[in-house]
Amino acid sequence: DQQVKQNSPSLSVQEGRISILNCDYTNSMFDYFLWYKKYPAEGPTFLISISSIKDKNEDGRFTVFLNKSAKHLSLHIVPSQPGDSAVYFCAAQRSTSGTYKYIFGTGTRLKVLA
Amino acid sequence: ETGVTQSPTHLIKTRGQQVTLRCSSQSGHNTVSWYQQALGQGPQFIFQYYREEENGRGNFPPRFSGLQFPNYSSELNVNALELDDSALYLCASSKTGDGEKLFFGSGTQLSVL
Repeated sequence: DQQVKQNSPSLSVQEGRISILNCDYTNSMFDYFLWYKKYPAEGPTFLISISSIKDKNEDGRFTVFLNKSAKHLSLHIVPSQPGDSAVYFCAAQRSTSGTYKYIFGTGTRLKVLA
Repeated sequence: ETGVTQSPTHLIKTRGQQVTLRCSSQSGHNTVSWYQQALGQGPQFIFQYYREEENGRGNFPPRFSGLQFPNYSSELNVNALELDDSALYLCASSKTGDGEKLFFGSGTQLSVL
């Protein structure tokens, strides 16, 4: 049972344009969400987070939107740069569980074309 | 500030053997989690340690065990290795009361032949 889904395995975007990566979840108890970026041979790097009390969080070129009713979140990268080419994972957890047991999606490979 | 470090980076074992993977937490972090990432999948939660005790576990059998030491470093032990244990093993540290973010190491790539 895949509780966190990233239905697009890959995405190609032209440099300077917007990249939109999507993530859906099924467990309504999830209340904290993270996005990670992963380069080959490296561990995932934290990008941005959002709590369920918000519907938007921005950090520089990265913005995460949360639609709780649709159980959907998205990561927007504007403008996209070639260095953004990586695999992006969304992750969700129930913060009251007392653990950092995050459920990760399967990832979306973003390729930014110069 | 020292990040999360893992050793070794790569390891090859045969079925039935035992393996120990090591992790040093980021400075100031008191919680460590271990994740398994199979090829083409997202990381899967194995377990978490806080104050040297396991305080959360995912759907992994008992042959996956761990330790956390007073200096917050950690070990992941896997007994009776199976072919399906071949994966990237990621250690993540965090600090309670400092948000919910995980900081990952670069991982240990384990191959079971």
